[in-house]
Amino acid sequence: DPKIIQKPKYLVAVTGSEKILICEQYLGHNAMYWYRQSAKKPLEFMFSYSYQKLMDNQTASSRFQPQSSKKNHLDLQITALKPDDSATYFCASSQDSLGRNTGQLYFGEGSKLTVL
Amino acid sequence: GQQVQQSPASLVLQEGENAELQCNFSSTATQLQWFYQSPGGSLVSLLSNPSGTKHTGRLTSTTVTKERRSSLHISSSQTTDSGTYLCAIERSSGSWQLIFGSGTQLTVMP
Repeated sequence: DPKIIQKPKYLVAVTGSEKILICEQYLGHNAMYWYRQSAKKPLEFMFSYSYQKLMDNQTASSRFQPQSSKKNHLDLQITALKPDDSATYFCASSQDSLGRNTGQLYFGEGSKLTVL
Repeated sequence: GQQVQQSPASLVLQEGENAELQCNFSSTATQLQWFYQSPGGSLVSLLSNPSGTKHTGRLTSTTVTKERRSSLHISSSQTTDSGTYLCAIERSSGSWQLIFGSGTQLTVMP
């Protein structure tokens, strides 16, 4: 059974609309992340949260807002959608935010967003 | 900024052959990870190898930190090994903010 659940798996949106990507992890981890994978581009780090606090934000646009209502939830709200936002968004988690030589990073199955 | 270059971009093998994947990175990395991305898109961590040689199953990774390169050797490839292999280094010291390469797409033919 998947330990990191992302919903929805696929979604289509129109330009200018707003969507929320859901992520829940059942690994008991304290840190969660969002990564993005656009067509023909490498996976790109977006946000990291530790104990529900934002640790780092590498996303230039304020249209991307992570939301953590519980320690095991990290949703991603995207407003004013653009076609360039089309990508697969991956949620990930780790035991803690300091990964050096400890544990590993676990990924969800991804949410594929298409903006028309 | 830090960059990760992987080669080859794609590789086609017959089942049973060995694969050698390369990863070069632009700055010293204290964390280097190899991931497998299935054709369906899901990502799995294969191993962490910031320096030296590590083995797990049919996988062997060798990282030479001062030369900023890492390799992943897959022995006796199987059709189920088909997918994309990603190399990633940390963005900032000790964190899981990884910078990924574009990957090597491996196809193993029966």
